[in-house]
Amino acid sequence: EPEVTQTPSHQVTQMGQEVILRCVPISNHLYFYWYRQILGQKVEFLVSFYNNEISEKSEIFDDQFSVERPDGSNFTLKIRSTKLEDSAMYFCASSDQGALYEQYFGPGTRLTVT
Amino acid sequence: QKEVEQNSGPLSVPEGAIASLNCTYSDRGSQSFFWYRQYSGKSPELIMFIYSNGDKEDGRFTAQLNKASQYVSLLIRDSQPSDSATYLCARTPWAGANNLFFGTGTRLTVIP
Repeated sequence: EPEVTQTPSHQVTQMGQEVILRCVPISNHLYFYWYRQILGQKVEFLVSFYNNEISEKSEIFDDQFSVERPDGSNFTLKIRSTKLEDSAMYFCASSDQGALYEQYFGPGTRLTVT
Repeated sequence: QKEVEQNSGPLSVPEGAIASLNCTYSDRGSQSFFWYRQYSGKSPELIMFIYSNGDKEDGRFTAQLNKASQYVSLLIRDSQPSDSATYLCARTPWAGANNLFFGTGTRLTVIP
């Protein structure tokens, strides 16, 4: 069964460093998403991506964040200058028909900023 | 208006019983509703989604949507210990939206 994959599973970085989180969505899906979940809190939407551009972003997704689909399979989230409060699980998700229909989540990347 | 309200629980049911999980929302423009299961330390796993009023069944799971009363529920029949997890309710805020708003989740424990 196709699934969303994410690398790395755990990333430790120092405050102020740049990190890139990588995702490979399900191959025939066209809609891609990043969510985050701070420990003990709810899943929060960051950004959605369709047709090679951002379709929606939340207030969390400020200028420190960017997304890219560098090739036909990868979807990346870059945090330019990490802060302590960026420590969270970051989930990538994909959908073949958009947010009115099923979104499938990857296993997540645990980001720890020290 | 982003909020999706869920009772955080924990909800405990004996094995074999029906577990009933509820979710309310305030934004009448909400379109589709989703139930995800999340085991501790894992990612959300889609159980089912619903966008029409009424019931939708998939195996042991039934989702119920009542847009007039602004609630959505999930029934789990013949609950198993492996169903013990946090259940997340999520909604698409409007017809053209491309994001999901999640509730905080209800923790379910099925007692053997």
